[in-house]
Amino acid sequence: NAGVTQTPKFQVLKTGQSMTLQCAQDMNHNSMYWYRQDPGMGLRLIYYSASEGTTDKGEVPNGYNVSRLNKREFSLRLESAAPSQTSVYFCATRTFSGNTIYFGEGSWLTVV
Amino acid sequence: AQSVSQHNHHVILSEAASLELGCNYSYGGTVNLFWYVQYPGQHLQLLLKYFSGDPLVKGIKGFEAEFIKSKFSFNLRKPSVQWSDTAEYFCAVEDTGRRALTFGSGTRLQVQP
Repeated sequence: NAGVTQTPKFQVLKTGQSMTLQCAQDMNHNSMYWYRQDPGMGLRLIYYSASEGTTDKGEVPNGYNVSRLNKREFSLRLESAAPSQTSVYFCATRTFSGNTIYFGEGSWLTVV
Repeated sequence: AQSVSQHNHHVILSEAASLELGCNYSYGGTVNLFWYVQYPGQHLQLLLKYFSGDPLVKGIKGFEAEFIKSKFSFNLRKPSVQWSDTAEYFCAVEDTGRRALTFGSGTRLQVQP
């Protein structure tokens, strides 16, 4: 999945700290997504953006904010990290009329 | 809100056994359906997808799935599993209106040689 790049790949935060996960795609896709993956719970949708300039809440948006500044980039911000936000985060993209979703390689976040 | 249920959390099979993994979803609107696989240490890969047409869908690596609209189900099957099929399998449903993709909790498949 060379077309979807997430940074950082690993991060350790202290409770209360803030950070931003960055996602960039070079496939000119309209829709972008942020998921978190936890053991036994699969992938849960945090926020998504169907097109540039729009964002919508998914299943688990609390504690997160997102920004879709342009078509390429979709960032996920944790304003005040909590241990419950320890997870693996995946960014994903797809075209508006496309039929495949492309995932980034994941960002491992630990909040202590 | 839509939800996806995968009832089998952990399945253990011997090589050459047949596989069926269940997936049910709750949503009354039009949906697209997917199965993904995640091999140990790797990211998600698309196995197969259903958008419309023939409800029996064939994917990669000998997998297939059948969409039964009346049962809100999209079960994954393989006639004869191999040790290399050991992985975690995720069913996903997309609300075509909101374009949000919701995943099930996953089924861990372990194939013993």
